[in-house]
Amino acid sequence: QQQVKQSPQSLIVQKGGISIINCAYENTAFDYFPWYQQFPGKGPALLIAIRPDVSEKKEGRFTISFNKSAKQFSLHIMDSQPGDSATYFCAASITGTYKYIFGTGTRLKVLA
Amino acid sequence: GAGVSQSPRYKVAKRGQDVALRCDPISGHVSLFWYQQALGQGPEFLTYFQNEAQLDKSGLPSDRFFAERPEGSVSTLKIQRTQQEDSAVYLCASSISTGAANSPLHFGNGTRLTVT
Repeated sequence: QQQVKQSPQSLIVQKGGISIINCAYENTAFDYFPWYQQFPGKGPALLIAIRPDVSEKKEGRFTISFNKSAKQFSLHIMDSQPGDSATYFCAASITGTYKYIFGTGTRLKVLA
Repeated sequence: GAGVSQSPRYKVAKRGQDVALRCDPISGHVSLFWYQQALGQGPEFLTYFQNEAQLDKSGLPSDRFFAERPEGSVSTLKIQRTQQEDSAVYLCASSISTGAANSPLHFGNGTRLTVT
């Protein structure tokens, strides 16, 4: 119940294309869903986050779509660029607590 | 400092050696976390400090792992009698508040530990 399942494990997208990464969870107590971006040799950095009271959140080229009934959320990267090539982690947490549960990561490669 | 600083960046230890990994969080950050990241995996929670108090150490894999934050700022993760399965990147993160959704985690670049 504490797991966050992430797919795909790896993704190759042409420059300008849309990258889509999916996550699913079981624990309905989760109410905060951040996405982290990690470049090789660096720590993860917060990219964008959503709460389940909205179905979509957009920041620049990055959009989170949230489906509360299905207990799924996804990251969409529009107009993908080679500089977006990184590993992306979804995570889930409960407001007021400190624990984050991370997905297993998606390695994205955007071809020039 | 500007971000979370971890040292050393790389550590090679022979099996059975003790190691100490240091984390300097962002100044003023109340919460400090240690995560373990195995190759190709997401970060897994090890332990959590609120100021100097270690409130949760449920993720520490064994009693060979010990963490401290005596003055509520710098933290040290110590691994005694290292084993090959301890090889991983150890990430430190801090946040300004105590609630997960109140402020984001700021991660350091990690210490890559290789046990030979």
